[in-house]
Amino acid sequence: DAGVIQSPRHEVTEMGQEVTLRCKPISGHNSLFWYRQTMMRGLELLIYFNNNVPIDDSGMPEDRFSAKMPNASFSTLKIQPSEPRDSAVYFCASSLVGANYEQYFGPGTRLTVT
Amino acid sequence: EDQVTQSPEALRLQEGESSSLNCSYTVSGLRGLFWYRQDPGKGPEFLFTLYSAGEEKEKERLKATLTKKESFLHITAPKPEDSATYLCAVQARNTDKLIFGTGTRLQVFP
Repeated sequence: DAGVIQSPRHEVTEMGQEVTLRCKPISGHNSLFWYRQTMMRGLELLIYFNNNVPIDDSGMPEDRFSAKMPNASFSTLKIQPSEPRDSAVYFCASSLVGANYEQYFGPGTRLTVT
Repeated sequence: EDQVTQSPEALRLQEGESSSLNCSYTVSGLRGLFWYRQDPGKGPEFLFTLYSAGEEKEKERLKATLTKKESFLHITAPKPEDSATYLCAVQARNTDKLIFGTGTRLQVFP
């Protein structure tokens, strides 16, 4: 299996621009998680989906952040408008909920907002 | 509130010098405790899941143990390639979320 795939791997954008991060989970997994990692706050869960349905978005920092999962093999995390404090590494993870609950992470997208 | 605290923040070991990393947790009904390894510039890599107090799991030079309040990751005779950040996370029974600690950055010198 190819594992979790994320794109782009690096994104540099200017404040105020829209940013879209993409994720393809492991085939057969039924849950998808979006995390943000910074030196100050560590690894934080933003939102997660079960069977393409958002279950918990309490970690989404504000309305500028939105996430969608239109089908079992694709999800997006959008930031509009972006701000310098959004600079971080964003990870996507997937798991087979109801089986072993282990989450498998993608390589991450390093976002820099100038 | 569910919480995970890892110690020490950083650990420097000589190659072959065994040691342990600590993960203390509070959770309302533990479903599982997870250990991950993270190398610089990469995503966390799954190592172990522990489900109940007294459980132990091993993989090469690593052994994870679990009590009702904490977990230990024992590293026996470490090698430089074991250098990484080790993350601990807990999952409560009523959710699929993982709550992560801030990690222990391990450096093993030859």
